[in-house]
Amino acid sequence: AQTVTQSQPEMSVQEAETVTLSCTYDTSESNYYLFWYKQPPSRQMILVIRQEAYKQQNATENRFSVNFQKAAKSFSLKISDSQLGDTAMYFCAFLSQGGSEKLVFGKGMKLTVNP
Amino acid sequence: NAGVTQTPKFQVLKTGQSMTLQCAQDMNHEYMSWYRQDPGMGLRLIHYSVGAGITDQGEVPNGYNVSRSTTEDFPLRLLSAAPSQTSVYFCASSYLRDYANTGELFFGEGSRLTVL
Repeated sequence: AQTVTQSQPEMSVQEAETVTLSCTYDTSESNYYLFWYKQPPSRQMILVIRQEAYKQQNATENRFSVNFQKAAKSFSLKISDSQLGDTAMYFCAFLSQGGSEKLVFGKGMKLTVNP
Repeated sequence: NAGVTQTPKFQVLKTGQSMTLQCAQDMNHEYMSWYRQDPGMGLRLIHYSVGAGITDQGEVPNGYNVSRSTTEDFPLRLLSAAPSQTSVYFCASSYLRDYANTGELFFGEGSRLTVL
């Protein structure tokens, strides 16, 4: 079974700074997807960024980028130029490409951006 | 476009009572699922469905029933509520092909359930 580990329960950063959120996972599969979801205080879960395991190039979405290290099974999220609206819970998640249809989430990490 | 709609948003139950959390989506998504979110536990999959008439268990199915009689609706039933079921529940959906290719789920706003 796949597991997703977020070892940092909480972080804070000053506005405009860069912060990196860490995630590791365990799987025996070679084809899968990794995700970062954001949950602001409104509780709505929002997809931030996605990475296909077969792609060596790290995914980027505006201020959000990932550092995907397949051999190390590491998937960190970098937020550049942090904004107050980035304050949220962030969840790392794993989906097997083999049709398991089960998105597995980490326990989450609370990020606070301070003015 | 309403997206994924969950009702009620808040509910308080007594131990042993039954209730149904409703989930409806208007995007014609084949895939629908229920998660529960507990502090320090992340989101855990309860049940999911890949189409009308098809349901399957997730990681924590005990104490919950689901059915999928239509594409739009995926209700979650608690037959005899227990304090351990106090949680925030999320319904999520996707096109099955999109889900297999991208993994992106569209979430409802959540339902906070307290069992006394």
